Amino acid sequence: GESVGLHLPTLSVQEGDNSIINCAYSNSASDYFIWYKQESGKGPQFIIDIRSNMDKRQGQRVTVLLNKTVKHLSLQIAATQPGDSAVYFCAEKENDYKLSFGAGTTVTVRA
Amino acid sequence: NAGVMQNPRHLVRRRGQEARLRCSPMKGHSHVYWYRQLPEEGLKFMVYLQKENIIDESGMPKERFSAEFPKEGPSILRIQQVVRGDSAAYFCASSPGGGSGYEQYFGPGTRLTVT
Repeated sequence: GESVGLHLPTLSVQEGDNSIINCAYSNSASDYFIWYKQESGKGPQFIIDIRSNMDKRQGQRVTVLLNKTVKHLSLQIAATQPGDSAVYFCAEKENDYKLSFGAGTTVTVRA
Repeated sequence: NAGVMQNPRHLVRRRGQEARLRCSPMKGHSHVYWYRQLPEEGLKFMVYLQKENIIDESGMPKERFSAEFPKEGPSILRIQQVVRGDSAAYFCASSPGGGSGYEQYFGPGTRLTVT
C-alpha cells in the first residue's frame, strides 16, 4: 500500500505487504529529518532519521528515502505486521532543537 | 532507565481553572521540550527549557501559558484560565544535550480536556 500526493491521512495495507508513507516538507534549508511512530495513547517513538547529505537510509524493515529536489520524504515498511498499525509522522528539524511535524498518516494493517 | 514520565496522564478541567502538567525527563537529561497535539494533527513545538532557563518559548501562546524547569523537580507546563481550545494532548520530550545530534525522547503525554 502507498500514500500518494502531499499527504494521505490513512493507509490500509494487507499484512505481509510493503507500506510506503509519503511526506512533503516545506523548508529547503532543513538538513535533518525523522520518522516517528505514534501508537494510540502513547507518545511519538523514533523510527529512523536521515540527514540531507544522504538519499537513503535503511533500518530494520524500514527504509527512508529523501528527495531534496522536490522536498519529499518517504518511509517504506517491509512485510507490514499488525504491530505496525499506528500514526506515522515525518518531522524536520528547523534548528538544533525545534522539530516541525507533519499531519501524520494513519496506517491500518489488515489481517 | 525509566523513560520520560508525564503526569497526570489525563486531566479534566472546567473553563477558567488552572492546569498543571508535569514532566520528569529521562535520567541524565537536562533539556526538556513541550509540544502540543490537537486532534488529528501533528505535534507543534511550544517551548524548550534547560535547567532554570527558558531557551525558546516561541511556540507558547503569549497569555495564560507558562513553563518552568527548576533546578530540582520536574518541568511544569502551566495553563491558567483554561478554555475549550486548550483541549489537546501535551507531550514532553527530553534529551541529554541541546545540539542537533541529540535525539528527543517523548513521554506518553497528558491529555487535557476542558469542559
